[in-house]
Amino acid sequence: KNEVEQSPQNLTAQEGEFITINCSYSVGISALHWLQQHPGGGIVSLFMLSSGKKKHGRLIATINIQEKHSSLHITASHPRDSAVYICAVPPSYNTDKLIFGTGTRLQVFP
Amino acid sequence: GAVVSQHPSRVICKSGTSVKIECRSLDFQATTMFWYRQFPKQSLMLMATSNEGSKATYEQGVEKDKFLINHASLTLSTLTVTSAHPEDSSFYICSGRPSYNEQFFGPGTRLTVL
Repeated sequence: KNEVEQSPQNLTAQEGEFITINCSYSVGISALHWLQQHPGGGIVSLFMLSSGKKKHGRLIATINIQEKHSSLHITASHPRDSAVYICAVPPSYNTDKLIFGTGTRLQVFP
Repeated sequence: GAVVSQHPSRVICKSGTSVKIECRSLDFQATTMFWYRQFPKQSLMLMATSNEGSKATYEQGVEKDKFLINHASLTLSTLTVTSAHPEDSSFYICSGRPSYNEQFFGPGTRLTVL
């Protein structure tokens, strides 16, 4: 079993839909990252959070440390949101490294 | 968020040549930088951790003589792929760590070895 698991693996949506991507982890952590990778390859750091909720524009990230679960929400989705979304955690046993989820490939159609 | 740049964004080279990739933190100092590679449809794989002024720490299975890493300043790390072979063709991504727990990623460099 992977230490970081994401669901769903693939997601298709119509423009305007509300999107939720889930991340569960089995290791102790002090923070969790949400990353976005566009088809061109570049990675953008969306959020780093250690508790509660963060919001940036149409993106919202939440984390429940007790349940070892985080969600990334996209409100009013747009075709330009099409990308791979990756959660990553620095495990407590080695905070120098990140363990990456397998990613969620999102396609938003107009 | 903080900005990390990589240069070049794409490079094509002949087998047997060496290629240098630069990673710069533009608006923060990064005592630690990380180098990853990514194969198509796969997740990022950590190659090495680079600390300013000291030797890089390589992950198991990564040849240190083939992937030379230099982190000479707080804003610049370089990865040199020596004697490149077609199997080295990949997407190389760096990240910089301005403080504990944070990492900011560069846009990546796509290397194609002919």
